Amino acid sequence: AQSVTQLDSQVPVFEEAPVELRCNYSSSVSVYLFWYVQYPNQGLQLLLKYLSGSTLVKGINGFEAEFNKSQTSFHLRKPSVHISDTAEYFCAVMGYGQNFVFGPGTRLSVLP
Amino acid sequence: KAGVTQTPRYLIKTRGQQVTLSCSPISGHRSVSWYQQTPGQGLQFLFEYFSETQRNKGNFPGRFSGRQFSNSRSEMNVSTLELGDSALYLCASSLEPYEQYFGPGTRLTVT
Repeated sequence: AQSVTQLDSQVPVFEEAPVELRCNYSSSVSVYLFWYVQYPNQGLQLLLKYLSGSTLVKGINGFEAEFNKSQTSFHLRKPSVHISDTAEYFCAVMGYGQNFVFGPGTRLSVLP
Repeated sequence: KAGVTQTPRYLIKTRGQQVTLSCSPISGHRSVSWYQQTPGQGLQFLFEYFSETQRNKGNFPGRFSGRQFSNSRSEMNVSTLELGDSALYLCASSLEPYEQYFGPGTRLTVT
């Protein structure tokens, strides 16, 4: 069985400041890792994914994440946020042949 | 290429009724997954269909069912609706098993 923990339910940050959204997972098998973003009244949009290879993954909208196998973490970062980044962010894991498991989400609020 | 579409976008039903939601995947995608999203439980996996066969199922009661047609379109049905079934129901399609594209969801309100 897999599980995902997102340690912060809400993260307020000022515009143009850096941000890190934390994600930890547990799994007995190798996993694929994902970050999704959800804007109000919309579905989920894939930001980035880690399947294999380089542990530093770059995604859309200037986001990046680093896979750390020893710490079972996949934290999401952005060096400078914009008002338009205000949304809910979900970390997800998927073991081979298994379904997606999503974390509870982190609400990012970018303040002017 | 058109994205995943879900109909209807909003729905209001009464307790005890049944409801059918529809999902049209991205052209060429043969896998369709369904999720329930609520403020309390977050995103929970309902089931996945691939080539008209249910391939995976989450921990939901038998009142929740689904099917997939030969054109990959999928429907999910909830019978004997309960207040707790009020949620955003999301459909996702994929070509590869690890690349899911989500639709905008159907917001179901049960009164």
